[in-house]
Amino acid sequence: DTAVSQTPKYLVTQMGNDKSIKCEQNLGHDTMYWYKQDSKKFLKIMFSYNNKELIINETVPNRFSPKSPDKAHLNLHINSLELGDSAVYFCASSPSITSYEQYFGPGTRLTVT
Amino acid sequence: KNQVEQSPQSLIILEGKNCTLQCNYTVSPFSNLRWYKQDTGRGPVSLTIMTFSENTKSNGRYTATLDADTKQSSLHITASQLSDSASYICVVSPYNDYKLSFGAGTTVTVRA
Repeated sequence: DTAVSQTPKYLVTQMGNDKSIKCEQNLGHDTMYWYKQDSKKFLKIMFSYNNKELIINETVPNRFSPKSPDKAHLNLHINSLELGDSAVYFCASSPSITSYEQYFGPGTRLTVT
Repeated sequence: KNQVEQSPQSLIILEGKNCTLQCNYTVSPFSNLRWYKQDTGRGPVSLTIMTFSENTKSNGRYTATLDADTKQSSLHITASQLSDSASYICVVSPYNDYKLSFGAGTTVTVRA
């Protein structure tokens, strides 16, 4: 009965590879987010989708491409992985874009070697 | 410069003691301020949410205060328990903007 789930939890890959992280929420929320948490623990918003529509697209390299097949899913595809992409990526959801409350997934630790 | 600064960066306290974490922000105008708890290896979980008009909000042994005039917030943990060991993150939401500003967090270690 996990609210926001992500797969995989750990991802180790080599530079130049392409990888995807999947996120699903069963809360019936309209809005989903991708965050990156670097080694200094700062959480930075990357993307946000509201009802499958992209509404926040921060300054993120074009190698990162989110895809929302439906309201319950938001996937993150990363092309040509670089060392600097190593971080923990969190998916989150909220009832609506104006809702104060966000529910976070457990995170995906990406390590690029 | 980050718009949300937290202090201290880390602290160690004995079980049963109290502690207070600080959050100073420059986001203006702002809509609400949130405190999250992040256990190691997990995603953040919301503790409190305060709008600009609220001064205090409690959640069990956690009490958050807000002074919108000085742009300061604090999170007070009462009678700490080992399970309180975590990172506590202050998050400020601007008015009329969806993008949140996150602090770097304060890492709290509670020792028996």
